Amino acid sequence: QVHLVQSGAEVKKPGASVKVSCKTSGYTFTHYYIHWVRQAPGQGLEWMGWINSNSGGTNYAQNFQGRVTMTRDTSISTAYMDLSRLTSDDTAVYYCATYTSSWYFWEFWGQGTLVTVSS
Amino acid sequence: EIVLTQSPGTLSLSPGERATLSCRASQSVSSSYLAWYQQKPGQAPRLLIYGESSRATGIPDRFSGSGSGTDFTLTISRLEPEDFAVYYCQQYGNSLFTFGPGTKVDI
Repeated sequence: QVHLVQSGAEVKKPGASVKVSCKTSGYTFTHYYIHWVRQAPGQGLEWMGWINSNSGGTNYAQNFQGRVTMTRDTSISTAYMDLSRLTSDDTAVYYCATYTSSWYFWEFWGQGTLVTVSS
Repeated sequence: EIVLTQSPGTLSLSPGERATLSCRASQSVSSSYLAWYQQKPGQAPRLLIYGESSRATGIPDRFSGSGSGTDFTLTISRLEPEDFAVYYCQQYGNSLFTFGPGTKVDI
């Protein structure tokens, strides 16, 4: 079965960067994109972008352009999301998600990684 | 960017009752690119309905989706205790994914 396991919680200072990993198993990693979504405390879901797990191509939501970098390591079936110049507004749970049925909808999600930005 | 609005913000119902959740888009959305997710506290979202009306694997048939254009509806025919959660609609358009703000279904 498909599993996405994310790295653990992080505490960062304003201005720092954070890198969240998403290790996948149970399917062919390079066949499906990985999407990243975040959720601030008590708030809704916000799509951040996607990475083509095969080519490494990316598409980022406008809100994050210039600050986010999505990469992958196909040898270990793992995707990464790097967010720089953190502010308190970036305090959120970050999720990776993927699919096997349709690129537009995501059946499989990681457990989430809480990133806290605090001085 | 297509903005999704969900109503009501909170729906207070009892087990066994019918829940009707609305998702309205700021411009027309292809029903093929519209989905609904359920999220419980401390959990990741769970895909319920995609392509407007298809149920994801393992989703019981009390969940159904309908709609077209700018107005979409998620219906839960008879609420079970495990259905009390927050529900989000999601769409893809103009190379972007957006989510609605969610509807909380509580007792």
